Amino acid sequence: DAGVTQSPTHLIKTRGQQVTLRCSPKSGHDTVSWYQQALGQGPQFIFQYYEEEERQRGNFPDRFSGHQFPNYSSELNVNALLLGDSALYLCASSDGPAGVHEQYFGPGTRLTVT
Amino acid sequence: AQSVAQPEDQVNVAEGNPLTVKCTYSVSGNPYLFWYVQYPNRGLQFLLKYITGDNLVKGSYGFEAEFNKSQTSFHLKKPSALVSDSALYFCAVRDNPPSGGSYIPTFGRGTSLIVHP
Repeated sequence: DAGVTQSPTHLIKTRGQQVTLRCSPKSGHDTVSWYQQALGQGPQFIFQYYEEEERQRGNFPDRFSGHQFPNYSSELNVNALLLGDSALYLCASSDGPAGVHEQYFGPGTRLTVT
Repeated sequence: AQSVAQPEDQVNVAEGNPLTVKCTYSVSGNPYLFWYVQYPNRGLQFLLKYITGDNLVKGSYGFEAEFNKSQTSFHLKKPSALVSDSALYFCAVRDNPPSGGSYIPTFGRGTSLIVHP
């Protein structure tokens, strides 16, 4: 049984560019959450998707957007990249709302903005 | 509002000794509490959670945590540390009923556990 997978593993982008990160949830999970983890910090919640809709959103600007597909996989899009967007982006899946059910995290995508 | 604090950036312990990683929280209602571990270049792995019931929660890899409502703490413990336990540990809390309608847990900044041979 595959766990949560994310692609790509690493990514280097230039300021102002756009990026798309991808996530496949653990088998049987229908809820996907995205987090940004800056160096030396805990994960910061970006948004959560369930039934192809954004259900919860953290304190991130509209440059951060997402999508969930019918097979529960998800994408995170970031437009107009800033240097401060450099971080590890984590995808987590759960069998229901993240605040009740434990989340299973992927290995993350390391984004570097230059 | 919900918040969580991990007062120690780093904890050092000798292999075979007991370990404790501290976590305190603040919520308006009742807390849902979680511990996760992160190994280098890996995502977070779930260790254990407290929703209700027994104050002592047992989790993966021999870890346990004690919920203390009066001290608003949820410290992670293990009776005998292993070198392989060296990693980054995160505590997370969610208010119940949800604060402002948010079901999303708030994570602490993490504590680096170093177990010396």
